[in-house]
Amino acid sequence: GAVVSQHPSRVICKSGTSVKIECRSLDFQATTMFWYRQFPKKSLMLMATSNEGSKATYEQGVEKDKFLINHASLTLSTLTVTSAHPEDSSFYICSARDSASPYYGYTFGSGTRLTVV
Amino acid sequence: DQQVKQNSPSLSVQEGRISILNCDYTNSMFDYFLWYKKYPAEGPTFLISISSIKDKNEDGRFTVFLNKSAKHLSLHIVPSQPGDSAVYFCAASEGTGNQFYFGTGTSLTVIP
Repeated sequence: GAVVSQHPSRVICKSGTSVKIECRSLDFQATTMFWYRQFPKKSLMLMATSNEGSKATYEQGVEKDKFLINHASLTLSTLTVTSAHPEDSSFYICSARDSASPYYGYTFGSGTRLTVV
Repeated sequence: DQQVKQNSPSLSVQEGRISILNCDYTNSMFDYFLWYKKYPAEGPTFLISISSIKDKNEDGRFTVFLNKSAKHLSLHIVPSQPGDSAVYFCAASEGTGNQFYFGTGTSLTVIP
């Protein structure tokens, strides 16, 4: 089945530094990937839609200069949290859709726990 | 390999009847399970959870059942309402603060 690999699973960084999170589709091509952030009460907020070869589409209220998204290939999207601050500490999850699947199912990465100290 | 599986990509149910969504997992170390509901163009919303010390958790019309020996959980919605039409994801983790492993979702359609 479709697998999405997300790396790293946990990262601790100092305030003011940048952190890159990778999301890879291992056995399918994903023209579209989604980046989510988990908030209290566990709901996932869609941050942005990452489109291969073009600019990401950010949801309202998400700072595009702070959360840089690059989708340079059909199997890799990256989210870079720039100049991280403690309030950026959260759980970030990516998801990809296999456009070749008749179901168009969503496959999620296992998430990245970011802690900014 | 997919550690959490939802083998039914879609389900249609008549309004007022029971909806049963199924989820299977392979990792016996998973001890915390969640169900999410997702409407189009929105992020998944947390619905209900269960830890492995229980075999049932109920919240209003939603009940989650856990069968640890079968590594299977199910979400029951009764009575089903048209507003329940959405994609439902199950997720599992070892402990509450660790990585989540999601199923690929089941699209539920409740027919008025």
